[in-house]
Amino acid sequence: AQTVTQSQPEMSVQEAETVTLSCTYDTSESNYYLFWYKQPPSRQMILVIRQEAYKQQNATENRFSVNFQKAAKSFSLKISDSQLGDTAMYFCAFMKPGAQKLVFGQGTRLTINP
Amino acid sequence: NAGVTQTPKFQVLKTGQSMTLQCAQDMNHEYMSWYRQDPGMGLRLIHYSVGAGITDQGEVPNGYNVSRSTTEDFPLRLLSAAPSQTSVYFCASSSGQLGNTIYFGEGSWLTVV
Repeated sequence: AQTVTQSQPEMSVQEAETVTLSCTYDTSESNYYLFWYKQPPSRQMILVIRQEAYKQQNATENRFSVNFQKAAKSFSLKISDSQLGDTAMYFCAFMKPGAQKLVFGQGTRLTINP
Repeated sequence: NAGVTQTPKFQVLKTGQSMTLQCAQDMNHEYMSWYRQDPGMGLRLIHYSVGAGITDQGEVPNGYNVSRSTTEDFPLRLLSAAPSQTSVYFCASSSGQLGNTIYFGEGSWLTVV
């Protein structure tokens, strides 16, 4: 079974700083997708970014980028120029091939301080 | 666009009561699923469906039933609520292609006393 681990329960940075959230996963699959979801206090699950395992290039969405290291099974999220609105829980998730089912990590609570 | 709609948003149940969490999507998605989120944990899959008439168990299915009579609806039934089922429940849907966006509802907060 696939597992996803986020080793940082909480992080806190100042506004405009860059922050990196860590995620590792375990799988025997060669093709899969990885995701970062943001959950603000409203509890809405918001997709931040996704990465296809067979793509070498790291995904980027505006201020959000990932460092995908397939051999190390590592998938970190970098938030540049952090903003107060980035304050949220962030979940790393793995999608098995052949089914639309997500396996989530435990989450990292990120606080951006003014 | 409604997307994925869950009702009710909040519910308090007594131990042993039954109830149904409703989920509807208007995107003609094949895949629908239910997750629960407990404090300090990520979402865990309860049940999922790959199309009308087809359902299967996820990681934590005990105590829950589902059915999928239409493409749009995927209700989650608690037959005899227990305090351990106090959680936030999320319904989700997607079109079925690997890596396609999974759309989540806004969540249903359930407390069992």
